Parts: sequence; C-alpha cells; structure tokens
Amino acid sequence: GAVVSQHPSWVICKSGTSVKIECRSLDFQATTMFWYRQFPKQSLMLMATSNEGSKATYEQGVEKDKFLINHASLTLSTLTVTSAHPEDSSFYICSVPPYGQGVTYGYTFGSGTRLTVV
Amino acid sequence: AQSVTQPDIHITVSEGASLELRCNYSYGATPYLFWYVQSPGQGLQLLLKYFSGDTLVQGIKGFEAEFKRSQSSFNLRKPSVHWSDAAEYFCAVGGDFGNEKLTFGTGTRLTIIP
Repeated sequence: GAVVSQHPSWVICKSGTSVKIECRSLDFQATTMFWYRQFPKQSLMLMATSNEGSKATYEQGVEKDKFLINHASLTLSTLTVTSAHPEDSSFYICSVPPYGQGVTYGYTFGSGTRLTVV
Repeated sequence: AQSVTQPDIHITVSEGASLELRCNYSYGATPYLFWYVQSPGQGLQLLLKYFSGDTLVQGIKGFEAEFKRSQSSFNLRKPSVHWSDAAEYFCAVGGDFGNEKLTFGTGTRLTIIP
C-alpha cells in the first residue's frame, strides 16, 4: 500500500501561534487525503477531507479558519492550526485512501503528530 | 449515517489465552470493514480488511475476523495472544470503495497479563 510520512511527530507551541503539519504520500499520488483528530484515549474523528487542487471539505463543527488545509500537489497535504490554544492540543493523523491502488490495500495512516499548546 | 460500535472499552486477557474483540456496524450498503491497531503515541496499523468474498479474513500477526452480515458484526479474533498484542484496537467502516472517509469505533484497549 501507500507509504505515508507525517511531520513533525510532535510539536510544542505557545498559545496564539500557528503550527503546520505535513502529510506526504511517498509512493502514491493521492488526490484525496483525510485529516483526523484523536483526543487522549478516544477514537479518531474525521476533521476534513483534503482535495488536491481544490478546497477541503470540513466536517460539521470543525472551524475552517482555524484548521487550514492545503493540498497543493498530489503528494502533499498540510494542516495548519492557526492561533493555537491549549484546547487544540491533540493527536493529529493523516490518511491516504486506497483509491487507485486496488482493493488489496487499505487506508494508510501517517504516524501522527502530537501537538501540545502551552 | 454509518456508525461503528465497539462495546468493550477495555479487555484484559492472560498471555496465551484466546481473544475476541467485538465490532458492530451500521451502513446502508455493502460495507468495507477494517481493523486497525494503535500502540501508544503511534499511528494506525492495518490488521485486516474485508471487502467481499470469503467472510473469514486473515490478517497480520495471527489475527482473523469474521464478517456476519445478518448480525452486522465484524469481530476480531486471535487464538493465542502475546504480550506484544497489548494496544488499542479500532474497528472502522467505509463504503463505495474509493475516496470515502472511514468511520471509527471508539476503540478497545487490550491489556495482557502474564
């Protein structure tokens, strides 16, 4: 399946600053990527669907202006947490769907980014 | 709307014992079902998936799962667990195979005791 690289693995930032998280599909051209958020000891909640060359599709309740998604190429999607606050502290994970890879592959996930806002 | 229920929040089993993690789904069409495992602070690793065909699917690390349409279930099993199996397990459902998002269950935390 696809190989997905996510950076950084962890980041600590001050309240009010912005943080950018990168998700790269290393061996697969991904027209779509998904961004999930996971609170401690909870499940993954889809935040948005990143679409190459067009606007992201956000899930209900997710602030578009706070979580900026850019999918400028077929191998890179970025999530920018703007004006971060402590409540934005979470584990963020990106995912590449298997579309085009054939039914033998499942969705591939990045290793995640632990964001701590202080 | 699609949904996944994992009724067991936390399961403890002895090393060498058998394991079954439950998963029930709700989906209006033919579901695509997945089991993922997550170690603390890590991403998700695919254990196995079901798309069609044989309802008993084999995965990595000795895991298997059985799709039962009549019960809307996709339970994960392993005949003999190892200490390294301690982790969080997520069942997920998707559909219209392609770009559709996955919906995850709340997860089951597995603890292994010696």
